[in-house]
Amino acid sequence: KAGVTQTPRYLIKTRGQQVTLSCSPISGHRSVSWYQQTPGQGLQFLFEYFSETQRNKGNFPGRFSGRQFSNSRSEMNVSTLELGDSALYLCASSTGQGIFADTQYFGPGTRLTVL
Amino acid sequence: QKEVEQDPGPLSVPEGAIVSLNCTYSNSAFQYFMWYRQYSRKGPELLMYTYSSGNKEDGRFTAQVDKSSKYISLFIRDSQPSDSATYLCASLKGSARQLTFGSGTQLTVLP
Repeated sequence: KAGVTQTPRYLIKTRGQQVTLSCSPISGHRSVSWYQQTPGQGLQFLFEYFSETQRNKGNFPGRFSGRQFSNSRSEMNVSTLELGDSALYLCASSTGQGIFADTQYFGPGTRLTVL
Repeated sequence: QKEVEQDPGPLSVPEGAIVSLNCTYSNSAFQYFMWYRQYSRKGPELLMYTYSSGNKEDGRFTAQVDKSSKYISLFIRDSQPSDSATYLCASLKGSARQLTFGSGTQLTVLP
């Protein structure tokens, strides 16, 4: 079974620009979560999408947004980039079903550098 | 104060040593506890997953949770150079799917 894939793997942008990152979950998984990883703050939850709807949201400004398509693929958008947005952006997929939480599997990440 | 605190390391041990990695958490709503391993330039990989207090063993790895003291541990027996990575503890509330991570401990196992 193929794992979680993320594209692109590396991105370099300048301040003020916007960026879109893509995540394809494991086949059959309907939940996609996004995380930001930085040396200072570690791994922080951005948001989770399930069946094309945002189900959970972390404490990030509105410049960070996302969406999910009917095939469960997800995109994350960051507008008006700031230097502090430089990070590894990880997506994780899970079945998203059941009363209790299920295992999240991470992709390799997209490394974003903002100059 | 972060909800999950982790010994920052870095930690360096000789091959064959027993490694102990530790985290504490402050939120009593956390019910699920995970350990992820992250190699350089890779995404985190799930190692162990436990629910509530107790021990769980998988090969050379043992995860331990003590909910009374809000303490999470991962033990690695007979450590190998291939175990060199950053280890992240994470916690999850009951029905939420939002992982809260510790800051990670960088482990180096010297041959």
